[in-house]
Amino acid sequence: DSGVTQTPKHLITATGQRVTLRCSPRSGDLSVYWYQQSLDQGLQFLIQYYNGEERAKGNILERFSAQQFPDLHSELNLSSLELGDSALYFCASSVDQGLGGTEAFFGQGTRLTVV
Amino acid sequence: AQSVTQLGSHVSVSEGALVLLRCNYSSSVPPYLFWYVQYPNQGLQLLLKYTSAATLVKGINGFEAEFKKSETSFHLTKPSAHMSDAAEYFCAVSDPGSARQLTFGSGTQLTVLP
Repeated sequence: DSGVTQTPKHLITATGQRVTLRCSPRSGDLSVYWYQQSLDQGLQFLIQYYNGEERAKGNILERFSAQQFPDLHSELNLSSLELGDSALYFCASSVDQGLGGTEAFFGQGTRLTVV
Repeated sequence: AQSVTQLGSHVSVSEGALVLLRCNYSSSVPPYLFWYVQYPNQGLQLLLKYTSAATLVKGINGFEAEFKKSETSFHLTKPSAHMSDAAEYFCAVSDPGSARQLTFGSGTQLTVLP
């Protein structure tokens, strides 16, 4: 158990809909990272938050947004869903702002299926 | 931009044989390098990391990796494969200058044959 909790574990929704994925980082970790894992794109970094502030952006679509709340949990919002958004979405957390040298702990992921 | 290339999307070894998973990196500065393992229906677990200390890094479950700057490589090895090592392995790189994200390789699926 990494200590990072993601809910829900599975999500099935229709195209055009909006969903929210939730992540609770390990106790004491201030950084939260979101990654998307799909068969064709592999593991792609989406976005990072550190202590409530956005710190880095990767290949995140404009239809996607995220935030980190004062209690440090984070939510990833996916809207106007398309079939191609079906993927495994991972949250990771670490103590520092950057992953350099600092271990990132990954949650078990949310498997999103868009039908 | 930094990147990693994992040679071989699928590797099969017999139980008890040497495991060698290859990773080459591309980075303009000496990077931080990581190996992660993903078991079916699980998240990623850190096996080991290189952060410019010793070039030979020992990780969990008997794995180790050697950072070779001249070859821009960070191959993962284990002397004797066990059935429980069957999983997908990811090499990742992080730029110390702006170490806010991991860039992952495409992964290598390791199969261990009885």
